[in-house]
Amino acid sequence: DADVTQTPRNRITKTGKRIMLECSQTKGHDRMYWYRQDPGLGLRLIYYSFDVKDINKGEISDGYSVSRQAQAKFSLSLESAIPNQTALYFCATSGTWDQPQHFGDGTRLSIL
Amino acid sequence: AQTVTQSQPEMSVQEAETVTLSCTYDTSESNYYLFWYKQPPSRQMILVIRQEAYKQQNATENRFSVNFQKAAKSFSLKISDSQLGDTAMYFCAFADYNNAGNMLTFGGGTRLMVKP
Repeated sequence: DADVTQTPRNRITKTGKRIMLECSQTKGHDRMYWYRQDPGLGLRLIYYSFDVKDINKGEISDGYSVSRQAQAKFSLSLESAIPNQTALYFCATSGTWDQPQHFGDGTRLSIL
Repeated sequence: AQTVTQSQPEMSVQEAETVTLSCTYDTSESNYYLFWYKQPPSRQMILVIRQEAYKQQNATENRFSVNFQKAAKSFSLKISDSQLGDTAMYFCAFADYNNAGNMLTFGGGTRLMVKP
């Protein structure tokens, strides 16, 4: 079983819909992150959380919100989806400050 | 803010040959980590290699090695004896552990095709 699980794997939806992407991990890590990947831009940080009570905005948080329901779960929401939010979304986790991040397999989101 | 630049959007190499992917970065920090991640068509993000800025010795992992030039802010990845399974998108990434809690800044990526 994967250490970092993202659901759904793929999603197609319409403009204006509310979307939730979910991430769960079995690694016991406190730190969790959400990134989006766009062609030519690499991955960019949306939100990050260092523990259940600590949530912070990243580089491109506008139009997104997050919820850290437990140490193992970190969800990303698009309250009213728009086409330019079409992208590949990744969740990642890490342990202590000097450990590399571990990524889920991504959610490909298409907004029509 | 840190920036990471990968100037080669696409590259190709013949199987068994050596290829070098380029990466430059900009930072005012002295203590940081640099990474190369591989993204195959399956779209997983796989850590290939990590370099700690305070270490002068270049990191190596089997067929993968880096050329880290701190003064030039350059961090290139060399893949020796290229294999078909090396075909993937490669991302260079930077993490400033002093202030930003190991959040990653990524370059735009280099798509590598290994030809038989």
